[in-house]
Formats: sequence, C-alpha cells, structure tokens
Amino acid sequence: DIQMTQSPSTLSASVGDRVTITCRASQSISSWLAWYQQKPGKAPKLLIYKASSLQSGVPSRFSGSGSGTEFTLTISSLQPDDFATYYCQQYNGYFMWTFGQGTKVE
Amino acid sequence: EVQLVESGGGLVKPGGSLRLSCAASGFIFSGYSMNWVRQAPGKGLEWVASISTTSTYINYADSVKGRFTISRDNAKNSLHLQMNSLRAEDTAIYFCAREDKDVWGQGTTVTVAS
Repeated sequence: DIQMTQSPSTLSASVGDRVTITCRASQSISSWLAWYQQKPGKAPKLLIYKASSLQSGVPSRFSGSGSGTEFTLTISSLQPDDFATYYCQQYNGYFMWTFGQGTKVE
Repeated sequence: EVQLVESGGGLVKPGGSLRLSCAASGFIFSGYSMNWVRQAPGKGLEWVASISTTSTYINYADSVKGRFTISRDNAKNSLHLQMNSLRAEDTAIYFCAREDKDVWGQGTTVTVAS
C-alpha cells in the first residue's frame, strides 16, 4: 500500500507569512494528489487536486506543486482564516485513498 | 444544492453492529463512485471504503476488511456502511465523500464503548 508522509506535523506562523507543507509518497503516484483544509468540527475542504489544480472558489494564495513522490502545498501570504489542519491525499490506487497524517498551522 | 447527509451513528458496545447511511441530493448520484472516510477523536483522516457507480468495484481499508460492508442504492440516492464486530478503535466521525473529493457530508459520530 502507498504511504503518505507529511511534514511538519505542526507549523507556527504569523499572518502574512509564506507557508510550505511537504508530502512524500512511498511510491510514485504521478500527479494523483489532493490537498485539504480542515477546521475543528468540520468536514475537509478540497483545496488542490491533481497536485497543482486549484479547486473552484479557493483563494489564489493557495498553490500546489510536485509529481511522482514529492509534493508541496504553499500558502503565499497566510490569512487569519487559514489557521487550520492540512492533509494531503493520494488517489493513485484503484478505489483507494491514503491521507497524510496532517499538518496543523497555528 | 449539492448535499450529502450522514445518519445512523450512535453509541454501541464492543462486538455490536451499526448501519450508517448517507443521503445524496442535488446531483446525479449514480454517476459517482462514493467513499467513506473516518476520523478518530483528535486524529487524522482515514479512508475506510470505496464503491463504484454500479457497485461492481468495492475496496476496503485493511483495518475494516471482513467487518464492514459498503453498499449503495442508486434508486434511492443513498450510500450505506454496515459495521459489524465493532471495536473501540472504530470510534470516530464517519464522513461520506463523493468521488471528486469536492463534496463531503457533515459526518456522523460512532462511539464504541461498554
């Protein structure tokens, strides 16, 4: 099975900071990677799909890059609403999803 | 409005059973594969099971294989998760999610405790 490893687990940042979160896959997943934002008590919200495609309605300060086994999520200028937990997810497997362990931005 | 609404969660004793449902509306349910994802208290997201549009293809996480059964009723726009032989580690919020990952339900809470 494909394993996903996110880093860091926790990230301390301030409004206006540029934030980068990394996700590594245990084997190549091409560009079949998504990024989510989750706030307490809420369902995950899709930010990025296919590694770098911005979901409709998501602010342009969010961007994704990478392919194969190395991926990054970048928030260009952190806003107050962005303090949350972020997850990467691979969907290369046949009818199988795998999530990273999450990165809390505080 | 595109919507998924889960129901059926609750408190159950170890070894017990529970059936979760997910009601879909606002989109052509039969055109999408569907998924169950869970989140234990204070923990990350864990994929549980997936089912194709016509139920031809089904897959489960190793942690639930043999105990959980995913099914769907396209005529009733509903997705189900039959959970048997429940364990304390199955305690979680259970979300249903559409194939394109853009539509999620609000979740239903399952607590397994004596």
